[in-house]
Amino acid sequence: RKEVEQDPGPFNVPEGATVAFNCTYSNSASQSFFWYRQDCRKEPKLLMSVYSSGNEDGRFTAQLNRASQYISLLIRDSKLSDSATYLCVVNSPYTGGFKTIFGAGTRLFVKA
Amino acid sequence: ETGVTQTPRHLVMGMTNKKSLKCEQHLGHNAMYWYKQSAKKPLELMFVYNFKEQTENNSVPSRFSPECPNSSHLFLHLHTLQPEDSALYLCASSPERGGGTQYFGPGTRLTVL
Repeated sequence: RKEVEQDPGPFNVPEGATVAFNCTYSNSASQSFFWYRQDCRKEPKLLMSVYSSGNEDGRFTAQLNRASQYISLLIRDSKLSDSATYLCVVNSPYTGGFKTIFGAGTRLFVKA
Repeated sequence: ETGVTQTPRHLVMGMTNKKSLKCEQHLGHNAMYWYKQSAKKPLELMFVYNFKEQTENNSVPSRFSPECPNSSHLFLHLHTLQPEDSALYLCASSPERGGGTQYFGPGTRLTVL
């Protein structure tokens, strides 16, 4: 089992749609969680951190379910500019500290 | 954004060449990372440095040789590469290994002929 697993995608949605991505992690002792966005041929950039209480940033809502060990990202009112790959990121315990694990990413295509 | 810079941005080299990739971070972080990303594939972690010490080497071939002279600079020395090494090489930094958010440089797009 991979340490961080994501929906493989691609997700093809029309503008204005609501789309949800899920991500599961294997280590229950993982401590911090993030969603990154990567545009084609560009570097990954932090989209938002994920907090236990859930958090929202405009059209984006992130949630964490520690009991089930999954993280979700909800995008409302999709825009063409939301087209990208979304990476789930988890900081998990490792020898001498923590390590950051990136999921393989889910591709999103928003169409007019 | 100039938090993490990488040079060169593009590099074409022959299999017998020797070249180096450079990464510099201006964020006061203590951990730095090299990743490889081949076309349409996930990020592959190559090396991790924490306080200038290498803490991870994910079975990377010896034709890739990292160097971290201080917490702000990271190099990747390349020699006798193969065409399958063509990829986007990304550098990242974070406050400490596995802690906080990683910030990425723009990457070096490498083509090996």
